[in-house]
Amino acid sequence: RKEVEQDPGPFNVPEGATVAFNCTYSNSASQSFFWYRQDCRKEPKLLMSVYSSGNEDGRFTAQLNRASQYISLLIRDSKLSDSATYLCVVNMNRDDKIIFGKGTRLHILP
Amino acid sequence: NAGVTQTPKFQVLKTGQSMTLQCAQDMNHEYMSWYRQDPGMGLRLIHYSVGAGITDQGEVPNGYNVSRSTTEDFPLRLLSAAPSQTSVYFCASSADRRGVLTFGAGSRLTVL
Repeated sequence: RKEVEQDPGPFNVPEGATVAFNCTYSNSASQSFFWYRQDCRKEPKLLMSVYSSGNEDGRFTAQLNRASQYISLLIRDSKLSDSATYLCVVNMNRDDKIIFGKGTRLHILP
Repeated sequence: NAGVTQTPKFQVLKTGQSMTLQCAQDMNHEYMSWYRQDPGMGLRLIHYSVGAGITDQGEVPNGYNVSRSTTEDFPLRLLSAAPSQTSVYFCASSADRRGVLTFGAGSRLTVL
């Protein structure tokens, strides 16, 4: 099993819709989780951290399910500008390795 | 505030040539890392460093060397370039080891 797995998509979603992605991780000892956003031919940028109790930032909600070892990202009222690749990031909590998933591509359709 | 600066932005090499990708950060971050990104493969960790004088291997270290003589700089060396090393390389730094990374703009390397 890969350490961090994501559905590569693409997810083609009409503007205004709600979309959700999941990301599974293999190391149950992992402690830190994040979602990054990457636009085409640009560097990744931090979107939000994922906390155990779940957290929200505007239209974005991130949740952690430790029992099933996955994190999720929910985007409400999607905008054209949300079109990007969303990368799941996990700190494996061993040797300080920070591992990225392969990313999920999202296309918001007008 | 420059953040993380990578040079060069673009480079073409012939098989067997050597080169160094430079990475510098001005945020006094202890943690620095190098990733490569290939189509369909996401970002894969090459090497990382938790402080000056300390480096460790990531997921795909073969063919690459690193050193960390100062807090600011973390160069990535290709000793004998191969076509399989054609990729986009990202350097990143962090104030801690959790995963809040600041990335450079990337270096696009082509090996012929």
